[in-house]
Amino acid sequence: DVKVTQSSRYLVKRTGEKVFLECVQDMDHENMFWYRQDPGLGLRLIYFSYDVKMKEKGDIPEGYSVSREKKERFSLILESASTNQTSMYLCASSLGRSGYGEAFFGQGTRLTVV
Amino acid sequence: DQQVKQNSPSLSVQEGRISILNCDYTNSMFDYFLWYKKYPAEGPTFLISISSIKDKNEDGRFTVFLNKSAKHLSLHIVPSQPGDSAVYFCAASGVGGSQGNLIFGKGTKLSVKP
Repeated sequence: DVKVTQSSRYLVKRTGEKVFLECVQDMDHENMFWYRQDPGLGLRLIYFSYDVKMKEKGDIPEGYSVSREKKERFSLILESASTNQTSMYLCASSLGRSGYGEAFFGQGTRLTVV
Repeated sequence: DQQVKQNSPSLSVQEGRISILNCDYTNSMFDYFLWYKKYPAEGPTFLISISSIKDKNEDGRFTVFLNKSAKHLSLHIVPSQPGDSAVYFCAASGVGGSQGNLIFGKGTKLSVKP
């Protein structure tokens, strides 16, 4: 079974802090994604990566950056946390560009910025 | 501009009856569609998918129908069970070279009443 693991289920951070959200997948997937989920807005793509050291902006990249130094790990960085970044963050991975297939999601990180 | 639309934020159905969740898309380059189910405080889990070369895919109680000319797909759950109560997200992929990138709708909250 594919496993996507996010480092924290719940986080509380202060405004202005630099926040790291970590995600690891164990199925050698090429693609990895970061989404945020907000009520009434669905899942919105922040950043995605097709390969190590490669990244592309999604629909809402402002205020975020990402890092993919190893194939299995994809980190989301909030450079200076703000209250409007309070949200559920979801990491996902999928097989690769050459084939179709579902994305597998982690359990989510509920981030509260105070 | 939303490329994947779920126009019904919520749906209530009696146990044993059919649940029909609808999804519309605007981009004719989409060629792979998926449905995900999400419980509160958990990541989405993959439910069923369909390729654009098909018009129907069935898996147990779940059937997805695709009408390419109308750019519309639907998920049928028969019979509905209380455990099906969750938020259902429709997703699409296949835009240009970003075949692994999933675009999600805003979700429909299904409530199945005993």
